[in-house]
Amino acid sequence: GESVGLHLPTLSVQEGDNSIINCAYSNSASDYFIWYKQESGKGPQFIIDIRSNMDKRQGQRVTVLLNKTVKHLSLQIAATQPGDSAVYFCADVGSARQLTFGSGTQLTVLP
Amino acid sequence: GAVVSQHPSRVICKSGTSVKIECRSLDFQATTMFWYRQFPKQSLMLMATSNEGSKATYEQGVEKDKFLINHASLTLSTLTVTSAHPEDSSFYICSARGSSGGKGETQYFGPGTRLLVL
Repeated sequence: GESVGLHLPTLSVQEGDNSIINCAYSNSASDYFIWYKQESGKGPQFIIDIRSNMDKRQGQRVTVLLNKTVKHLSLQIAATQPGDSAVYFCADVGSARQLTFGSGTQLTVLP
Repeated sequence: GAVVSQHPSRVICKSGTSVKIECRSLDFQATTMFWYRQFPKQSLMLMATSNEGSKATYEQGVEKDKFLINHASLTLSTLTVTSAHPEDSSFYICSARGSSGGKGETQYFGPGTRLLVL
């Protein structure tokens, strides 16, 4: 079936460095993508979204890139901070308007 | 972003009892609410989708008679785990989506409810 998957289950970065979290999706009909951050014991928190008619969107310290040709999505976090340590999920919205979550990437920020 | 609350945040119950979890959208009208279950180190798995005033649509493999969902108003949905068993122990998370405007597509999630069935 259709799914959204992540390349790496864990990622460790030094504080102050940039982080890049990748995601591959398979549903070519998906037209809306969202990145969520989930801290331990909490619900997912919306970070940034992007529609399929865009290839880049920037927020505060975060940038999402979308490559529809290869069905790839990435989240870039600039100047990673200890508070950025969490699990990051990408999710896509298809024609049924339901979210399909990827497996998640655990980001650990090293001091 | 929008605010979604859940109550209780954690609950411990005995096997065979029922537990009700509430999900509220605090600053927007949620025409659609979703219930997810998440086991440790795993992603969120959609259990059911509910539209205000309609019966919930359950995902394959989710027992509708065990997980009762009520979406009686545009700001409240409840999930009742009936005759809970230890295997029902999990992290239950709701999310809410508005009908239009800036919040029309995005799902906002509640803080989750940790259920432990002894």
